[in-house]
Parts: sequence; C-alpha cells; structure tokens
Amino acid sequence: SQQGEEDPQALSIQEGENATMNCSYKTSINNLQWYRQNSGRGLVHLILIRSNEREKHSGRLRVTLDTSKKSSSLLITASRAADTASYFCATYDPNSGYALNFGKGTSLLVTP
Amino acid sequence: DTGVSQNPRHKITKRGQNVTFRCDPISEHNRLYWYRQTLGQGPEFLTYFQNEAQLEKSRLLSDRFSAERPKGSFSTLEIQRTEQGDSAMYLCASSSPGGGVTGELFFGEGSRLTVL
Repeated sequence: SQQGEEDPQALSIQEGENATMNCSYKTSINNLQWYRQNSGRGLVHLILIRSNEREKHSGRLRVTLDTSKKSSSLLITASRAADTASYFCATYDPNSGYALNFGKGTSLLVTP
Repeated sequence: DTGVSQNPRHKITKRGQNVTFRCDPISEHNRLYWYRQTLGQGPEFLTYFQNEAQLEKSRLLSDRFSAERPKGSFSTLEIQRTEQGDSAMYLCASSSPGGGVTGELFFGEGSRLTVL
C-alpha cells in the first residue's frame, strides 16, 4: 500500500530556483525518508528524518516533518539541471514493520 | 562496485513464459526487498527477506510469483505464466543490520520486464 502522497505531482523550475515538494502520510511513523530516482534508474536515498526531529539539512536539501499534520516537505535550494528526477517520500508500514511504502512521487524538471 | 546488482537489466518475453530475476545485495546486508514499479508510480512493496527467511509478502505477490534467498545472500524473483500486466520495473533493495528494521534502503538499477 502507498502510504505517502507527494504534492505536486510535477514541478518545473529554472536553474537557481528553489524546489519544494510536500508529502502527506496516514499513520504513525518511526521515521520518514526521501529518495530520488533518475529516469529508468534505481532509487537513491537522500535523507531520513526521525519522528522526534522537526528539521534536517543535508547539503542543499532541507527536510521538515510535522507529525501533528502528518506531513513533510523537501526543499532543494539553488537547483541544478542535474536535480531533474522524481522524488519520493517513504514510511514504514506500522502494521508490518518491514515494508517501506512509497508515494507516487513528484517529478521535478529543472531547465537551464 | 559493491552496490546492489540486478540481472538481467531488461527482459522481453511472450505472455505465458516464465522469467527469473536475480539480485545480489551489498555483501554485509542481511535484509533484502523486492519492489515493483510501473510507469508514473512509486515502487510497490512485494516481499522482504531477513537472511534466508521470507518474513513478509505483499498481497501483490500472487501465486505466480515466488521469491527465494536460499543462502541469505543473492535472491531470485520468478514470475510464472507471465501476463501483460506484469510488465514493470522490478527493483531489489538491501539494507544493513546496523540500520535497524526501519533504516535506509540501497536500491539496484532494476530489471525491466516487458511482456508481449
């Protein structure tokens, strides 16, 4: 089952601009993760934020988590053409504990 | 390269044929996952192994699908009597015991299946 839902489904920006993607989820979580997928490739882990954290940074990435609203956001600052990819949020299924469930993703296009 | 390796990368088959995909996880990773991804969708969980034990299977894993991890190292995913609806990217991922059961996953490049 897909627990996370990203918004928007697609985003087009120019190089240098910031990109913000949002994720909503349905149940309690231990942590929330963001992954990137280039077209036709596998997924790459970007960042993990634990349920007791509110914000986390990694390079040009900033992730926030609001457990009261069951939502997270991923901000990519000073975007580059190489950031063009699909971005997915993922949470573990609390009923199973093993399945990491992904949303449908946000497709980001960064034009030069 | 010591990442997750999947073979074959592409497979075209006719409806009704059997296909098998192989996944070699990162060597010290004891957790292994299979996912299916169709165009425009996120990966959907299929099954999970901890060492050689298959601990969870999704309802998506019909009786035509079988996965094994016989020695707790590589894994195979077999699809019998393929249907056109099986066309998808099949992704394998592994994770480290140090990451806990809720750690990050390391994905392979996937095996793309096309059923004609």
